[in-house]
Amino acid sequence: GAGVSQSPSNKVTEKGKDVELRCDPISGHTALYWYRQRLGQGLEFLIYFQGNSAPDKSGLPSDRFSAERTGESVSTLTIQRTQQEDSAVYLCASSLQPGNQPQHFGDGTRLSIL
Amino acid sequence: GESVGLHLPTLSVQEGDNSIINCAYSNSASDYFIWYKQESGKGPQFIIDIRSNMDKRQGQRVTVLLNKTVKHLSLQIAATQPGDSAVYFCAENMDGGFKTIFGAGTRLFVKA
Repeated sequence: GAGVSQSPSNKVTEKGKDVELRCDPISGHTALYWYRQRLGQGLEFLIYFQGNSAPDKSGLPSDRFSAERTGESVSTLTIQRTQQEDSAVYLCASSLQPGNQPQHFGDGTRLSIL
Repeated sequence: GESVGLHLPTLSVQEGDNSIINCAYSNSASDYFIWYKQESGKGPQFIIDIRSNMDKRQGQRVTVLLNKTVKHLSLQIAATQPGDSAVYFCAENMDGGFKTIFGAGTRLFVKA
C-alpha cells in the first residue's frame, strides 16, 4: 500500500512477556518515528531513525524498550518483560526527510497487557 | 474500536457552523507548526502546517493562525461537517529539528 503499515493492529499479552511491533514506512521516506499514545492522551515521542545514522533513543521510557531499523525500511519496536503500564497504542510515522515536514502515521498497534 | 480522547477538552459545534480550535505551544524557539486530525482507531492525519515566518495560512476549508507573541496557534474549520468530528492535535518543531512535540489534543464533536 501507499501508506505506513503497522502490525499487528491489536496485541493482547500477559504481563512479563516480550512483544515485538512492526512498522513498514512509506517507500523512500528516510525518517521514521515511534510514539506511544495512552488512552485519552497526546503522543509521546519514543525514538527516531534517520537513514543510517544512529537513532535518537532519548524518548524510550526504560531499558525494556528497544527498536531497530534496517536501512530505510522496516522498523521493529520491542518491549521486554511487559508491564501493565505499557498498555497503549504504539504509533509509527515516517517522513520524506527529517525536520520541518509533516509526518505520515500508521494506524498503530493497540497493546493490552493483562 | 478504541476511542481517542475520552478525557480531552471538547468543542461541540452545530453542523455548518465554523469551528475554532486553540493551542498554546510551549517553546518560543519552535519554527514549524502542524495540525493533525485523529479519528477513533486511526493514526493522526496531517491537515495543515505553517512556518514561523508566517502568521496565517489557508487550505481547503481550514485556516491556521499563528501568534508568536503569545505562543498561540489556532485552527479554523469553515462550514463544519459531521466528518470533521475527531481529536485535533497541534504540534511544534524546534530549530528545524526532527523532534515533534504534540499538544494534548481537543475533541471536536459536530452536531447534525
